[in-house]
Amino acid sequence: GAVVSQHPSWVICKSGTSVKIECRSLDFQATTMFWYRQFPKQSLMLMATSNEGSKATYEQGVEKDKFLINHASLTLSTLTVTSAHPEDSSFYICSAQNRDRGDTEAFFGQGTRLTVV
Amino acid sequence: GNSVTQMEGPVTLSEEAFLTINCTYTATGYPSLFWYVQYPGEGLQLLLKATKADDKGSNKGFEATYRKETTSFHLEKGSVQVSDSAVYFCALSINTGRRALTFGSGTRLQVQP
Repeated sequence: GAVVSQHPSWVICKSGTSVKIECRSLDFQATTMFWYRQFPKQSLMLMATSNEGSKATYEQGVEKDKFLINHASLTLSTLTVTSAHPEDSSFYICSAQNRDRGDTEAFFGQGTRLTVV
Repeated sequence: GNSVTQMEGPVTLSEEAFLTINCTYTATGYPSLFWYVQYPGEGLQLLLKATKADDKGSNKGFEATYRKETTSFHLEKGSVQVSDSAVYFCALSINTGRRALTFGSGTRLQVQP
């Protein structure tokens, strides 16, 4: 099946620093990747949609200058949390769509737990 | 807008018990409905889906029927196993555009031997 690898699985960083999270589709090409954020005991909330070779589309209320998304190839998208603050601590999950499949299924990474201290 | 509401957990059951996790939705347009499962330390995996009213999705003994009249997609399994312990997410996507998913809050299932 299709595999999406997300790295790191957890990270602790100091307030004010930046953190990069990678999302890779290992055995398929993903023209579209989605980035979600999950607060404790809440739903996964879509942050942005990342299309290969173009700028990401951000959901309302998500700061694009704070959450930088790059989708430079068909197998890699990155999310960089810039100048992280404790309120950015959360669980971030990516998903990727396989353009060869053409159906509604998306494949998810294992998530990254970010803790800002 | 679109939203998904599912029952809060954790749900604790004994092995071989019957499972129901309720899920209701609101959506503009005609959604596809999904159940995803997340086992400890792993990513979300698609468990089953249904793309139109009255469809029944099934996989690994789990079933859910797309009920348009009650806007529901309840997850059921007749006899749970310890290995079913995980977090279950109900989700929808609208069948146009980006196909991003709208998720429920997740329900943790704990099955005791």
